Amino acid sequence: KAGVTQTPRYLIKTRGQQVTLSCSPISGHRSVSWYQQTPGQGLQFLFEYFSETQRNKGNFPGRFSGRQFSNSRSEMNVSTLELGDSALYLCASSSMPEGTYEQYFGPGTRLTVT
Amino acid sequence: GQNIDQPTEMTATEGAIVQINCTYQTSGFNGLFWYQQHAGEAPTFLSYNVLDGLEEKGRFSSFLSRSKGYSYLLLKELQMKDSASYLCAVKGDYKLSFGAGTTVTVRA
Repeated sequence: KAGVTQTPRYLIKTRGQQVTLSCSPISGHRSVSWYQQTPGQGLQFLFEYFSETQRNKGNFPGRFSGRQFSNSRSEMNVSTLELGDSALYLCASSSMPEGTYEQYFGPGTRLTVT
Repeated sequence: GQNIDQPTEMTATEGAIVQINCTYQTSGFNGLFWYQQHAGEAPTFLSYNVLDGLEEKGRFSSFLSRSKGYSYLLLKELQMKDSASYLCAVKGDYKLSFGAGTTVTVRA
């Protein structure tokens, strides 16, 4: 069974631009969670989608948004990029929502904002 | 809110035992996870505790005390490949919250 895939793996953007990241969960998994990982803050929860509905949201500004499609693939969008948005963005898939079951992480997208 | 504390760094010798402690204060508790993350890689699942006690899985064991808000991950017979960051994560009312991680360095 294929694992969680994320595209692109690396991205360089400039301040003010917007970016869209993609995550394809493990086949059969309907829950996708997004996290931001930085050296100073560790893994911070962004949001979770289950069956195309956003179930939970972390403490991030409205510039961070996401969506999930009927095939469970999810996208995350960050608008008006700031230098502080430079981070590793990880998505994780699970068969059930809200961390009830083990989450499987993708390799991440390394975003650099200059 | 959620507050999860674990030591920043630990160093141990190959073949030794290391215990990584994690204390937490969360609004609601529905389980505690441990993940391993090698540098530049994604976290991988190690263990899950929802009831008090010790869960053993090969060289790795995890303990939970809900009344004390405390868990530990025990790594036995350390190998060089165990050098990694170990993340404690707690499922609260609706989300999984992670600690900052403990970097374990195994020396020969």
